[in-house]
Amino acid sequence: QVQLVESGGGVVPPGRSLRLSCEASGFVFSSCGMHWVRQAPGKGLEWVAVIWYDGNTGSYADSVKGRFTISRDNSKNTVYLQMNSLRAEDTAVYYCARDPDDYGDSFYDYWGQGTLVTVSS
Amino acid sequence: EIVMTQSPDTLSVSPGERATLSCRASQSIGTYLAWYQQKPGQAPRLLISGASSRATGVPARFSGSGSGTDFTLTISSLQFEDFAVYYCQHYNNWPPRPFGQGTKVEVK
Repeated sequence: QVQLVESGGGVVPPGRSLRLSCEASGFVFSSCGMHWVRQAPGKGLEWVAVIWYDGNTGSYADSVKGRFTISRDNSKNTVYLQMNSLRAEDTAVYYCARDPDDYGDSFYDYWGQGTLVTVSS
Repeated sequence: EIVMTQSPDTLSVSPGERATLSCRASQSIGTYLAWYQQKPGQAPRLLISGASSRATGVPARFSGSGSGTDFTLTISSLQFEDFAVYYCQHYNNWPPRPFGQGTKVEVK
């Protein structure tokens, strides 16, 4: 069965960095686009970033552009989110989500359980 | 940039009753619309894609309709496990990938 398991969340002071990981299993990882979606406490869902099946192209929400980088290692079935220059407003649960389209241009049919990132001094 | 707007923000419904949730796009999106359900402390779950196609394992009491700018998610007879927050999302459009703000379905 499809599984997505995020890790790497925690408490970090403003301005610091954190790298999230999402390990996938149960499907052909290298055939799917992958996304990161976040949810601030008590708020709605916010799309963060997408990466193509081959890792060659990524795209970002304006709120994280220039600070976050999405990448993937298809040999490890893992997608990453490198988060730099973190701000208090980046505090959220971060979910990875599978997109059945190889260019990440479709809906999200499977989600991980999420990992909490808290940016606080 | 396309904006998705859901209504109402909160819907109070008794178990067994019908719930109708709306989602409106700021411009035509064809049928490139998904609905997700999120229960407290859980990740979202895909319910509907293509505006009306139920995802695997989704009960038949959930149905989606609409095209263009106006979409509806209907839960024909609410069960206790259906009380949750529901989000719509437009896809097939290069980022950003907008979600609606969500509709909370609560017990009346």
